[in-house]
Amino acid sequence: GAVVSQHPSRVICKSGTSVKIECRSLDFQATTMFWYRQFPKQSLMLMATSNEGSKATYEQGVEKDKFLINHASLTLSTLTVTSAHPEDSSFYICSASPAGGSYEQYFGPGTRLTVT
Amino acid sequence: GQNIDQPTEMTATEGAIVQINCTYQTSGFNGLFWYQQHAGEAPTFLSYNVLDGLEEKGRFSSFLSRSKGYSYLLLKELQMKDSASYLCAVSGGSYIPTFGRGTSLIVHP
Repeated sequence: GAVVSQHPSRVICKSGTSVKIECRSLDFQATTMFWYRQFPKQSLMLMATSNEGSKATYEQGVEKDKFLINHASLTLSTLTVTSAHPEDSSFYICSASPAGGSYEQYFGPGTRLTVT
Repeated sequence: GQNIDQPTEMTATEGAIVQINCTYQTSGFNGLFWYQQHAGEAPTFLSYNVLDGLEEKGRFSSFLSRSKGYSYLLLKELQMKDSASYLCAVSGGSYIPTFGRGTSLIVHP
């Protein structure tokens, strides 16, 4: 099956610093990648949709200058949380949809971010 | 916009059958997904329905009625490892799925 990797799996950073999270589709090309945030016992909240070679589309309420998304190739998207604050602590999950698919999504294993 | 509703929590006994319902309201419809998510892990794909009817895949089956805006996930011969959150997601006119809040299933001996 389609595999998506995410790195790092867990990161602790200090308030005010920036953190980059990578999402890779390992065995397929993904024209579209999605970034989600999930707080404890909550559902997945879509942050942005990332298309290869173009600017990401952010959901309402998500600050594009704070959550920088780059989708430089068909297998890699990155999310950078800039000037992180404790309230940014969450589980960040990426997913990828294969080119030509039904928007079925394959999820990465997630990144647990803790901002101290 | 889209509105997806599913129960918050359900409990069931090992070996039994459980049905998790999902109702939705959406502008446009391009399919309904069910995902399983264990605590602290990412969701894994279970099923995709775009036409009315029942799709069976081993112990898990998923049903869709587009006219009623209704789906259910049926889990048979429950095992302890089935304890997880089950997410219903609907793909509307934009094709991008919107996720429900998830149903936490607790399987006890």
